[in-house]
Amino acid sequence: EVQLVESGGGLVQRGGSLRLSCAASGFTFSNFWMSWVRQAPGKGLEWVANIKPDGGEKYYVDSVKGRFTISRDNAKNSLYLQMNSLRAEDTAVYYCVRGRGTDYWGQGTLVTVSS
Amino acid sequence: DVVMTQSPLSLPVTLGQPASISCRSSQSLVYSDGNTYLNWFQQRPGQSPRRLIYKVSNRDSGVPDRFSGSGSGTDFTLKISRVEAEDVGLYYCMQGTHWPGTFGQGTKLEIK
Repeated sequence: EVQLVESGGGLVQRGGSLRLSCAASGFTFSNFWMSWVRQAPGKGLEWVANIKPDGGEKYYVDSVKGRFTISRDNAKNSLYLQMNSLRAEDTAVYYCVRGRGTDYWGQGTLVTVSS
Repeated sequence: DVVMTQSPLSLPVTLGQPASISCRSSQSLVYSDGNTYLNWFQQRPGQSPRRLIYKVSNRDSGVPDRFSGSGSGTDFTLKISRVEAEDVGLYYCMQGTHWPGTFGQGTKLEIK
């Protein structure tokens, strides 16, 4: 069974940093693109970043470029999102998502940026 | 970025009746490999999104056959042949052809 379990969310002050983690199981992690998608409270979905299976290519939505870094450790079956210079508008549930086909989603972790 | 426009945004439906959601993209979603990367998701209250349909018309495993997807180019439709109580929630279309992938605003399906 495919499982994606996010952790690392919480309350942080504007300008602060957080590192999100996603533990993957039930599939060969190193074969898949992985993504982070977020959902602000009561709002729609926004793709944040994705990363190639070998980590060699990474893509970011314009609003997080230069502030967020996506990475992965295939030996640990883990995906990460380092978030720096956080803004109020980054407040959202962050989902770990498998593949460019977005076929499996984790339960999400809530990031709240206080102003 | 590609803009995905869904309609309607609110969809009250009587149990057992059909429902239809439209999704239009601001540019063609046909990729260079010939595939069209248009997915549909269901998000029940308090849950993560769940993919229902991928590449326009392919149903995911475990998805009831009352759900179907169709369309091409820039116009796409999700249909539910007979709405059941468990279908209540938000429905999103998403394009994965152009980076960044983008989602529609969501359609809220409720029972009338």
